Amino acid sequence: EAGVTQFPSHSVIEKGQTVTLRCDPISGHDNLYWYRRVMGKEIKFLLHFVKESKQDESGMPNNRFLAERTGGTYSTLKVQPAELEDSGVYFCASSQSPAGGPYTYNEQFFGPGTRLTVL
Amino acid sequence: DQQVKQNSPSLSVQEGRISILNCDYTNSMFDYFLWYKKYPAEGPTFLISISSIKDKNEDGRFTVFLNKSAKHLSLHIVPSQPGDSAVYFCAASPNSKLTFGKGITLSVRP
Repeated sequence: EAGVTQFPSHSVIEKGQTVTLRCDPISGHDNLYWYRRVMGKEIKFLLHFVKESKQDESGMPNNRFLAERTGGTYSTLKVQPAELEDSGVYFCASSQSPAGGPYTYNEQFFGPGTRLTVL
Repeated sequence: DQQVKQNSPSLSVQEGRISILNCDYTNSMFDYFLWYKKYPAEGPTFLISISSIKDKNEDGRFTVFLNKSAKHLSLHIVPSQPGDSAVYFCAASPNSKLTFGKGITLSVRP
């Protein structure tokens, strides 16, 4: 069974440009998450899709970030325009439903990440 | 405001000895705790977890202990092996949204 895949693995862009990251979750996983790790810091939650709907987007830094999951399959995360502080590794994860409840949790499987460098 | 703290950035242990990785949290709403392991250029992989209604969970060489009153959990690896060398992240969740610590780099010396 294929794991979570992300494309590209690396992206180097200049400040002000646009970048789109893609995530393909494990087939059949309704839950899809985006996380980001800025160098040396913790991995931070960005948002959570259940199928094509945004369940929680409380971690999105600002309106330069746009996430979509058309058809409830793959997801894209667009940064427009990119700023220097957007540099980091963007991870995508997916899990089966239900995502979790009181004292329960469905394992999130992470992709290898996209390393974004904004110059 | 960090809700999950891993205060030691690194740990080095001898092969065959015990590795103890610590984690503290501040949010009382967390009801599930996890440890993820990460190798360079890979995503985090799930290692072991514990619900807040338990105080210990064991899986082979890995045991996680939870002390709710102290808001503290720890991961014990016994015996440690060189292949355990990686970054270990503590994470906590209410309802699936994961909050991670900064990670600790474990080095197991042969």
